[in-house]
Amino acid sequence: SAVISQKPSRDICQRGTSLTIQCQVDSQVTMMFWYRQQPGQSLTLIATANQGSEATYESGFVIDKFPISRPNLTFSTLTVSNMSPEDSSIYLCSVVWGVNQPQHFGDGTRLSIL
Amino acid sequence: ELKVEQNPLFLSMQEGKNYTIYCNYSTTSDRLYWYRQDPGKSLESLFVLLSNGAVKQEGRLMASLDTKARLSTLHITAAVHDLSATYFCAVDRIQGAQKLVFGQGTRLTINP
Repeated sequence: SAVISQKPSRDICQRGTSLTIQCQVDSQVTMMFWYRQQPGQSLTLIATANQGSEATYESGFVIDKFPISRPNLTFSTLTVSNMSPEDSSIYLCSVVWGVNQPQHFGDGTRLSIL
Repeated sequence: ELKVEQNPLFLSMQEGKNYTIYCNYSTTSDRLYWYRQDPGKSLESLFVLLSNGAVKQEGRLMASLDTKARLSTLHITAAVHDLSATYFCAVDRIQGAQKLVFGQGTRLTINP
């Protein structure tokens, strides 16, 4: 089965800094997404990563805080900018390979802000 | 605004028993997904339900969708310890766009 690699798997960062998370898939996908899962909570969609164009953000999330790139059909990055302790969460990428298919999730990046 | 609510949020049960997790959603949708998450792990897709009356089964798990009632159920038959996990339902906010809204999750513990 296809592999979704997410890096880093975890990090501890200082407030005010930024971190870029990478999501690499070993085959082309139709859609890529980024989610946040706060400790003990459910998942919230941050944005749809659009290939070659600006990401589509959900309500409550903005590009300045969570810039996203997707230069091709197998790779995307999410940056968490100017981090604060409230950004401590698990960030997950997900991909879809075709119509009516489920999303498949990467292993997530566990981010702690001090 | 689409809201997805699961019931119960916590469930502790004995091996060999049957139980059902409910997923209600607030606006029309005919696409619903079930996922499993083990502690410290990512999400694993269980079922995709794409139409009213859809029923899918895999092992001891069976999922169904009633779009008129805006309700999906995940039924567990003769539970075993390995099924202990958190189960999420998710509904597509915009048909086909995969803009998923997740339920709160049901943390299932199965005791020997």
